[in-house]
Amino acid sequence: EIVLTQSPGTLSLSPGERATLSCRASQSVSSSYLAWFQQKPGQAPRLLIYGASSRATGIPDRFSGSGSGTDFTLTISRLEPEDFAVYYCQQYGSQGYTFGQGTKLEIK
Amino acid sequence: QVHLVQSGAEVKKPGASVKVSCKASGYTFTNYAMHWVRRAPGQRLEWMGWINADNGNTKYSQKFQGRVTITRDTSASSAYMELSSLESEDTAVYYCARGATGGWPTDYWGQGTLVTVSS
Repeated sequence: EIVLTQSPGTLSLSPGERATLSCRASQSVSSSYLAWFQQKPGQAPRLLIYGASSRATGIPDRFSGSGSGTDFTLTISRLEPEDFAVYYCQQYGSQGYTFGQGTKLEIK
Repeated sequence: QVHLVQSGAEVKKPGASVKVSCKASGYTFTNYAMHWVRRAPGQRLEWMGWINADNGNTKYSQKFQGRVTITRDTSASSAYMELSSLESEDTAVYYCARGATGGWPTDYWGQGTLVTVSS
């Protein structure tokens, strides 16, 4: 099973700032099958990024993903008030899917 | 558009089983897999398993192997997740989510079903 480790656990920033979230895999993620999700309280997770760097339908371009192999990054270029939430990475290989433990993005 | 609608909240006693349903609409049900994911209070999202909606093949997370059963009814465009031998640690929101058997993320999610395990 591929274990995903996200850092930091909590990120405190202000609206307008840039956020950088990290996801590290215990082994190489095949074909960059790495996605990012946003989850707000009481809501289902929302797909933001798939294939490490492709934005899902309707996702603003302030969200971007990068990386390959075992190291991946989600960047939010200028934080909007609605961006404060928990973010998860997910790998979706044929041996099963796994999630990271999440990064909580909170207002400073 | 794609919609996944889950059954309502459940309260179960320790040792019991729970079965949660997920009805899909807005796409061809058999072209995708259905996944089940849970989030316990204060915990991370946990992937439980998938079912290939076309052929019924399943794959389960090792953590839940032997305790979870995922089935589907193609005539009803519905998938089901049954979890047995419930413990208090199984108290969580359970989600169904459309995906694939590898190679495609879980792109659409149900609204979630709260399962509470309490004596």
